[in-house]
Amino acid sequence: DSGVTQTPKHLITATGQRVTLRCSPRSGDLSVYWYQQSLDQGLQFLIQYYNGEERAKGNILERFSAQQFPDLHSELNLSSLELGDSALYFCASSPEGYEQYFGPGTRLTVT
Amino acid sequence: ELKVEQNPLFLSMQEGKNYTIYCNYSTTSDRLYWYRQDPGKSLESLFVLLSNGAVKQEGRLMASLDTKARLSTLHITAAVHDLSATYFCAVDEDGNKLVFGAGTILRVKS
Repeated sequence: DSGVTQTPKHLITATGQRVTLRCSPRSGDLSVYWYQQSLDQGLQFLIQYYNGEERAKGNILERFSAQQFPDLHSELNLSSLELGDSALYFCASSPEGYEQYFGPGTRLTVT
Repeated sequence: ELKVEQNPLFLSMQEGKNYTIYCNYSTTSDRLYWYRQDPGKSLESLFVLLSNGAVKQEGRLMASLDTKARLSTLHITAAVHDLSATYFCAVDEDGNKLVFGAGTILRVKS
C-alpha cells in the first residue's frame, strides 16, 4: 500500500459524458501527478500539481482538466468522453523532486 | 523530447535462468526508476537509481545505471514464477514528470 488513494476503482460511462476522478496523496506530499495507461499509448504523464498550483503539463487533452485543493487532494475531470479515453488513470504523489508513489488507479470504461 | 526505449518488450524464460532487460533513454538524466506492474494493478516501485554507476539489488533483481551511456539494466537471476509481471523503466524529466518505457512483459515458465 503506497498511501495514495484513488476513487472510484472502476467507472463505466457512456460517450459524451463527464466524470471526475479523485486522488488523495500520501500524508505530507505536496506534489500530485496524473498518468494515463492505455494499450495503444502506454503510460503517459498528464499533469502535475504542486501545493495547489499547476507545475507541469504533458499530453493532456483540452477535454481534460485537473485541480488540487487546499487539503492537497486532487481531481481529474474528463469531459465529452470518447471510446479512446478508456484507460487506467493513475495518480501519484511525492515530496518535491523525489520518488513518486502510485495509487491503485481508476479503470475507466467508456461505452 | 525525452524518449525511453525498453527491450525486449516480451520475455519468456524458464525458471532458473538469467536474463537482462535494457532501458535506453535519449537525453541527460541522472534519475531513473524501475517499477513492476501485475495485471490490472498499480505500479510497485522496485529501484530508484540516482547517480552514474548506481547499482541496487533486491532478491533476484539487480538494477544499474550508466548515465554516460544513457542506459539502465534490470538483471534477473535464477528466475522464479513469482517474477512474472510487466516491468517498466521510467526516467525523470526535469523533476516534474516521469517518461516511461513501453514495458517488458516477463513470463517465467516452470
